[in-house]
Amino acid sequence: DVKVTQSSRYLVKRTGEKVFLECVQDMDHENMFWYRQDPGLGLRLIYFSYDVKMKEKGDIPEGYSVSREKKERFSLILESASTNQTSMYLCASSSRGINYGYTFGSGTRLTVV
Amino acid sequence: RKEVEQDPGPFNVPEGATVAFNCTYSNSASQSFFWYRQDCRKEPKLLMSVYSSGNEDGRFTAQLNRASQYISLLIRDSKLSDSATYLCGVTYNTDKLIFGTGTRLQVFP
Repeated sequence: DVKVTQSSRYLVKRTGEKVFLECVQDMDHENMFWYRQDPGLGLRLIYFSYDVKMKEKGDIPEGYSVSREKKERFSLILESASTNQTSMYLCASSSRGINYGYTFGSGTRLTVV
Repeated sequence: RKEVEQDPGPFNVPEGATVAFNCTYSNSASQSFFWYRQDCRKEPKLLMSVYSSGNEDGRFTAQLNRASQYISLLIRDSKLSDSATYLCGVTYNTDKLIFGTGTRLQVFP
């Protein structure tokens, strides 16, 4: 069964900490994406990557950065966590051309205190 | 105006009912369309792609109306297990999916 795996299901971090969220896919997908999901706001795209070492800003990149050193791994970095970054973070991947949609990871629920 | 809009619901329907959701999109250049299902505190899972000619998968039928810029999802013979949030996703000339905020369905006995 193909998978997108996110390293943590729940995380609690302190304000100002640097936070790493890891995502690994085993489907040899070119595209990888990071979204956050908040009640009433839906899924909002933070960053995405169409290839190794390539990244593009999504709709809400402020306060985040990403890294894609290998095709299967896409990391989201919160440089200095703030309480307004408390959210559900979802990683997704897709083949180029997105013919079959995205496959999502199970999500990381991050709480910043 | 949002790029992709959905009625948030909730739609409360009895078992066995037929229910339909719409999703409107603003960009006429939209290329690919999808319906996802999301259970509470879970990740979205692909329910079905939406093809120009319409497509059916068991009790689920998806349709695309390019002229009016909306897609629809019809669920026949609703089951309790259909209770979830249904998200539509749309792409515009890229592989980025833009999602609606979802429509919540609650099926009651």
